[in-house]
Amino acid sequence: DVKVTQSSRYLVKRTGEKVFLECVQDMDHENMFWYRQDPGLGLRLIYFSYDVKMKEKGDIPEGYSVSREKKERFSLILESASTNQTSMYLCASSLGQTVEDTEAFFGQGTRLTVV
Amino acid sequence: GESVGLHLPTLSVQEGDNSIINCAYSNSASDYFIWYKQESGKGPQFIIDIRSNMDKRQGQRVTVLLNKTVKHLSLQIAATQPGDSAVYFCAENWGFKTIFGAGTRLFVKA
Repeated sequence: DVKVTQSSRYLVKRTGEKVFLECVQDMDHENMFWYRQDPGLGLRLIYFSYDVKMKEKGDIPEGYSVSREKKERFSLILESASTNQTSMYLCASSLGQTVEDTEAFFGQGTRLTVV
Repeated sequence: GESVGLHLPTLSVQEGDNSIINCAYSNSASDYFIWYKQESGKGPQFIIDIRSNMDKRQGQRVTVLLNKTVKHLSLQIAATQPGDSAVYFCAENWGFKTIFGAGTRLFVKA
């Protein structure tokens, strides 16, 4: 089974802190994604990557950056955390580029609270 | 811009009844659709998928219907069980892009 692991389940950070959310997948997937999930808004794409060292902006990239130095690891960075970044963050991966390979496998989520 | 939306944010059904969760999508170029289930404290998990060249696909107790004419997707769950209580998301895909709906929370009453 594919496993997508996020380093933390819960995080509490202070406004202005630099925050790193780590995600690792163990199935050699090409694509990796970071979403944030807020009530009533569903999953919104922050950034995605379809190869090592490649990254693409999603729908809400402002205030975030990402890093993909290795295929299995995709990090989300909040350069200066703000309270409006309090949310559930979900990492996902998918196999490749054919239609059926777009099925996303999700981690368990990181609930970030910025105080 | 494109969006995937759900008609109802919550759905409450009696155990044993059938559930129908609806979804509207707006991108006619979408070629692949997936329903995900998210249980409390977990990430979304794949339930069933359908390609745009199909109008119906059945799994175990679940059926997905696709109506491209009106850009509508539905998930039917037969004989709903307490374990089906979760938030259900539809997702539309084209190329690398995936758009998720807002989600419907399904409550199953014993």
